[in-house]
Amino acid sequence: DQQVKQNSPSLSVQEGRISILNCDYTNSMFDYFLWYKKYPAEGPTFLISISSIKDKNEDGRFTVFLNKSAKHLSLHIVPSQPGDSAVYFCAASEYGNKLVFGAGTILRVKS
Amino acid sequence: DTGVSQDPRHKITKRGQNVTFRCDPISEHNRLYWYRQTLGQGPEFLTYFQNEAQLEKSRLLSDRFSAERPKGSFSTLEIQRTEQGDSAMYLCASSLALGGYEQYFGPGTRLTVT
Repeated sequence: DQQVKQNSPSLSVQEGRISILNCDYTNSMFDYFLWYKKYPAEGPTFLISISSIKDKNEDGRFTVFLNKSAKHLSLHIVPSQPGDSAVYFCAASEYGNKLVFGAGTILRVKS
Repeated sequence: DTGVSQDPRHKITKRGQNVTFRCDPISEHNRLYWYRQTLGQGPEFLTYFQNEAQLEKSRLLSDRFSAERPKGSFSTLEIQRTEQGDSAMYLCASSLALGGYEQYFGPGTRLTVT
């Protein structure tokens, strides 16, 4: 039972363009959503988060959008840089407890 | 500000042996989590502590797995009688209990069971 799904295993984007990573969830009790970035042989690094009471959160080049009615969130990276190439995980939490992760999307930014 | 640290970074063991991993959280964080990640998947929750109390354990945590956080600081995860299916990356994360939705991860321990 996958409660958090990232349906695109990989995404390739040209440097300077926008990267859009998508995530869907099924559990309506999730109240907080997070994006993590992971390089090989390292642990996930926290990137940006959003509470279920908001629909947008922005931090520099990174913006997360939440559509509660559709149970969908997305991460926008503008402009994309080669250093953004990594695996991106979407995660959700219920009342600040354990995180439930998607399977990840591999982002490749081509220069 | 030191982040979450884990030791060892890599462990190769033979099937049937016991292994123990250590996690040191960020010093002011009172919650500590263990996750397991296999190839092509996201991290999966195993267990978590608030201070020294173990508050939740996943069904993934069979009776061969045990975790402790004796003084509410570092934590250990032990796997007894390892099996090849235990081969994975074991990740530790920490957070604040109040308002601490963001969890900060260590570099992980890569376990290979031969």
